[in-house]
Amino acid sequence: GEDVEQSLFLSVREGDSSVINCTYTDSSSTYLYWYKQEPGAGLQLLTYIFSNMDMKQDQRLTVLLNKKDKHLSLRIADTQTGDSAIYFCAESLNDYKLSFGAGTTVTVRA
Amino acid sequence: DGGITQSPKYLFRKEGQNVTLSCEQNLNHDAMYWYRQDPGQGLRLIYYSQIVNDFQKGDIAEGYSVSREKKESFPLTVTSAQKNPTAFYLCASSIQWGRGTEAFFGQGTRLTVV
Repeated sequence: GEDVEQSLFLSVREGDSSVINCTYTDSSSTYLYWYKQEPGAGLQLLTYIFSNMDMKQDQRLTVLLNKKDKHLSLRIADTQTGDSAIYFCAESLNDYKLSFGAGTTVTVRA
Repeated sequence: DGGITQSPKYLFRKEGQNVTLSCEQNLNHDAMYWYRQDPGQGLRLIYYSQIVNDFQKGDIAEGYSVSREKKESFPLTVTSAQKNPTAFYLCASSIQWGRGTEAFFGQGTRLTVV
């Protein structure tokens, strides 16, 4: 099974906020990442957070980390049609391995 | 422009044939990776290379082989021993080996066995 778990689908109305949730298992993870994948394309790093941080904000993106519960979330403010994509949560397990969740497909409806 | 290039974008293979997927980067990155993506699943690591002339098996290496003769190139061969090769394959690179280093991904190759 997956070390990183995410819900598979999210539908949001244009202009609303999207919140994508993720749980991870390795308490020793030092970095946690959010990647975006558009249809038929590779992954693009959106943002990452170091494990000694609770929150990181970057323009429309806000990452919240609850290390006690091993819970990570990505909030996208003012969601646009261009935000429709698959979003992957990933944790850095050791020196080389990124463990990815199954991805959350975000659909933005007008 | 610097980047990581995978080719071809689409590839069809007959059962029993080997096929090689290309991955080239001009980012001067030491580390390179191959991942496999299946619908509804996360990315799974096939092989990785920390530095030229070195590579290691990832979680699902059976039926695959790689080489790293040049820093910029990390081709993946899908052999006939891979029982279920139809998937989306992603190559990535990072500036160095270690946590927290950003991995840059190619656009992927979709392999279909016919």
